[in-house]
Amino acid sequence: ELKVEQNPLFLSMQEGKNYTIYCNYSTTSDRLYWYRQDPGKSLESLFVLLSNGAVKQEGRLMASLDTKARLSTLHITAAVHDLSATYFCAVDMKAFGNEKLTFGTGTRLTIIP
Amino acid sequence: DSGVTQTPKHLITATGQRVTLRCSPRSGDLSVYWYQQSLDQGLQFLIQYYNGEERAKGNILERFSAQQFPDLHSELNLSSLELGDSALYFCASSERLAANTGELFFGEGSRLTVL
Repeated sequence: ELKVEQNPLFLSMQEGKNYTIYCNYSTTSDRLYWYRQDPGKSLESLFVLLSNGAVKQEGRLMASLDTKARLSTLHITAAVHDLSATYFCAVDMKAFGNEKLTFGTGTRLTIIP
Repeated sequence: DSGVTQTPKHLITATGQRVTLRCSPRSGDLSVYWYQQSLDQGLQFLIQYYNGEERAKGNILERFSAQQFPDLHSELNLSSLELGDSALYFCASSERLAANTGELFFGEGSRLTVL
């Protein structure tokens, strides 16, 4: 069974600081996704990473994928309050004949002024 | 706005009752996925349909069932409701063609409260 683990689970950081959220998964996959969720709201797609070494950037967020290490990172640069949300990574199991996404536990990020 | 529509947005009902949640996928998307989000279990995959046929099944209880209709909308039926079924239920859609990225687009969710 695929397991997707994120750390930290909770992250409180000051505005202007940098930090990284880690996403580890237990079986081979070369497709990984990052989503953002505001409290009580829907999940918004942030990044789609489809190959080893993929790197995507949008504003203050940058995501990368290392399929050999089964690791993805979401790096936050010079955090601002608007980035406060819960961030999920999700792994695609299509290679195993199962097309669902398995989500990590989520990282609740709070940016403090 | 993802283009995925879910109704109702909120639903309050009693234990033992039955409810139906409805989802309309993005125009052109053939796959529909149902996820349950609760505080203690996180985001759990329930079931997937592709063009009317069940494609994958997750941790879906026997009291729950789903279907996808010819117009591609989907319904999730929850019966004999228990307090523990209170959660946010999300529907998501994707094209799921060979060239597709596999990205899921989520609706706003249906918040179910069982009293």
